[in-house]
Amino acid sequence: GENVEQHPSTLSVQEGDSAVIKCTYSDSASNYFPWYKQELGKRPQLIIDIRSNVGEKKDQRIAVTLNKTAKHFSLHITETQPEDSAVYFCAASNRNNDMRFGAGTRLTVKP
Amino acid sequence: NAGVTQTPKFQVLKTGQSMTLQCAQDMNHEYMSWYRQDPGMGLRLIHYSVGAGITDQGEVPNGYNVSRSTTEDFPLRLLSAAPSQTSVYFCASSSGQAIWSPLHFGNGTRLTVT
Repeated sequence: GENVEQHPSTLSVQEGDSAVIKCTYSDSASNYFPWYKQELGKRPQLIIDIRSNVGEKKDQRIAVTLNKTAKHFSLHITETQPEDSAVYFCAASNRNNDMRFGAGTRLTVKP
Repeated sequence: NAGVTQTPKFQVLKTGQSMTLQCAQDMNHEYMSWYRQDPGMGLRLIHYSVGAGITDQGEVPNGYNVSRSTTEDFPLRLLSAAPSQTSVYFCASSSGQAIWSPLHFGNGTRLTVT
């Protein structure tokens, strides 16, 4: 089955700096790559997603890039704010509806 | 529109007891799934369903059963609880096929097995 690895496990940045989280996946058949944000004690919520026929997608301060050849994708957050502090999860899904998640990155934005 | 509703929010079981975690969605989503979340391990897929009457195993199905008799409900049954099943459980649903659609999560059930 699919295996998703996520790095780093923790990330601390100063407010206004950029943050980058990277994920790799093993199943070349995976074709949907969402990112979820989970605040403490709350449920995961989708922040951005990308499909395999697209190399990059942006939504305001958030962007995701996908390299299918290398089987890795990344989340970029620019101009970070304290409210960006949370745990972020990447995921990969294949045609069998089997969505696998990375272990998560705890992002702390220091004011 | 309540989205995905999970009950109970908290549960304590003794080893060997059985129970059912309830999940209901009112978005007419075909796809529903159960995940467990443990520290440092992300979310792991237990079981999923692509429609009423259809279920399939995920990454960690042992010790759990599911059924999907209606589009709205997808209960998760623990047959004989074990301490290793102490976790936070999330139910999620998606419109159409999950491969293209984002998951909508419930608020979770925190289960402790002593």
